[in-house]
Amino acid sequence: GENVEQHPSTLSVQEGDSAVIKCTYSDSASNYFPWYKQELGKGPQLIIDIRSNVGEKKDQRIAVTLNKTAKHFSLHITETQPEDSAVYFCAARALGGSQGNLIFGKGTKLSVKP
Amino acid sequence: SAVISQKPSRDICQRGTSLTIQCQVDSQVTMMFWYRQQPGQSLTLIATANQGSEATYESGFVIDKFPISRPNLTFSTLTVSNMSPEDSSIYLCSLGGGAGETQYFGPGTRLLVL
Repeated sequence: GENVEQHPSTLSVQEGDSAVIKCTYSDSASNYFPWYKQELGKGPQLIIDIRSNVGEKKDQRIAVTLNKTAKHFSLHITETQPEDSAVYFCAARALGGSQGNLIFGKGTKLSVKP
Repeated sequence: SAVISQKPSRDICQRGTSLTIQCQVDSQVTMMFWYRQQPGQSLTLIATANQGSEATYESGFVIDKFPISRPNLTFSTLTVSNMSPEDSSIYLCSLGGGAGETQYFGPGTRLLVL
């Protein structure tokens, strides 16, 4: 089945710097790759997603890139702010399993220092 | 996107008891799911809540332990039965996830079993 690896597990940056989180997946048939932000005490919030027919997607300070050949995708946050501090999860949809079976990475705890 | 609410938001329970978690959505949705997030861990799909029929469980999860109801297209419940401390987790309701659909999560129910 699908396996998603996420790196790094923790990331600390200065306010204003960029942050990059990388994920790799194993199932070449996966075609949907969302990113979620989870703040303490809250549920995961979708921040951006990308489908396999697109190589890059951008929404203000957040961008995601997808390399289907290499089976990896990355989240890029520019001009980081303290409120970006949270745990970020990448995921890939396993087409062979249940419709809702997003396979998640283990998460990256991002700390943005003012 | 639909608004998802969960009750209770948190609870502390004694081992051997059961807790029923409710998930309410403000619009009709086809696909609803239940996830578990153990402390400091990623998200794992428990089951797909099917309207009008038995839920579809993922490997490692059984109906006797996690009975699920879905009486209509806006509501579902998850019961955690005969709880033990190992059941201490965040339980998340999720919707969407059909082919090409974005998937959203509720705020979660934080359960501590003593």
